[in-house]
Amino acid sequence: QKEVEQNSGPLSVPEGAIASLNCTYSDRGSQSFFWYRQYSGKSPELIMSIYSNGDKEDGRFTAQLNKASQYVSLLIRDSQPSDSATYLCAVRDRMDNDMRFGAGTRLTVKP
Amino acid sequence: KAGVTQTPRYLIKTRGQQVTLSCSPISGHRSVSWYQQTPGQGLQFLFEYFSETQRNKGNFPGRFSGRQFSNSRSEMNVSTLELGDSALYLCASSWAGEGEQFFGPGTRLTVL
Repeated sequence: QKEVEQNSGPLSVPEGAIASLNCTYSDRGSQSFFWYRQYSGKSPELIMSIYSNGDKEDGRFTAQLNKASQYVSLLIRDSQPSDSATYLCAVRDRMDNDMRFGAGTRLTVKP
Repeated sequence: KAGVTQTPRYLIKTRGQQVTLSCSPISGHRSVSWYQQTPGQGLQFLFEYFSETQRNKGNFPGRFSGRQFSNSRSEMNVSTLELGDSALYLCASSWAGEGEQFFGPGTRLTVL
C-alpha cells in the first residue's frame, strides 16, 4: 500500500513565526511532490510543486525534498492569519501516475 | 485562462436516486481526475480519464462511473445513492496526467 503520511495537527503558530509542515511517503518510485492549501469549505489550491532534492522557494513558502529519507516539507515564513488552512501533501509516482494525498495538516496562525 | 469548472455546485438527492456531475478542465488539459472528500476519509481518488479513456481507478464500488468526451469535459455518475455518498466531489485537471493538478470548486452532494 503506497501511503502519504502527514501530522494531522492541529498546528498552531503565532503570527510572524515559521510554520513547518511535514510529509512522508512510502513509495520510493515517487517522482513529483505537491503542496496544496485548502480553506474550510473550499477546494484545494496548488501552492508548491517540487521534483528534485533540495529546496524550492516561492515568496514566503519553501518546499524541501529529501528522496533518500522519503520526506517532503513545507515551510511558511512570516506566517499570517490568512495562512490558516489545511495543507495537503500530494505525491505522484512514475509507474501508475496516481496522485496520492495525505490526510492534511490543519494550521492555525494566531494574531 | 479560465480555471476548472464544475456543475452543479450543490445537489440534494434522496437515497436510491442517481446523480451526474460535470467537470470542464482548463483549456488544453487532457486529463481529468475525480476525488471524493469527506471529513472522515479525506481526499479519496475515484478515477482518472485521459483522452476519453479511463486510465486509473480507485477503490470505489461500480455505482461510481465516469466518462470523458472528445473536448476533455468529463462527467461522473453515481447510481443508487446511499447516505454515505454525501461528500464534496472534486475534479482536477492536468495537461497530460503528469505534473501539477488544478482543482475545480467542487460539487457538494447531500443524500437524504
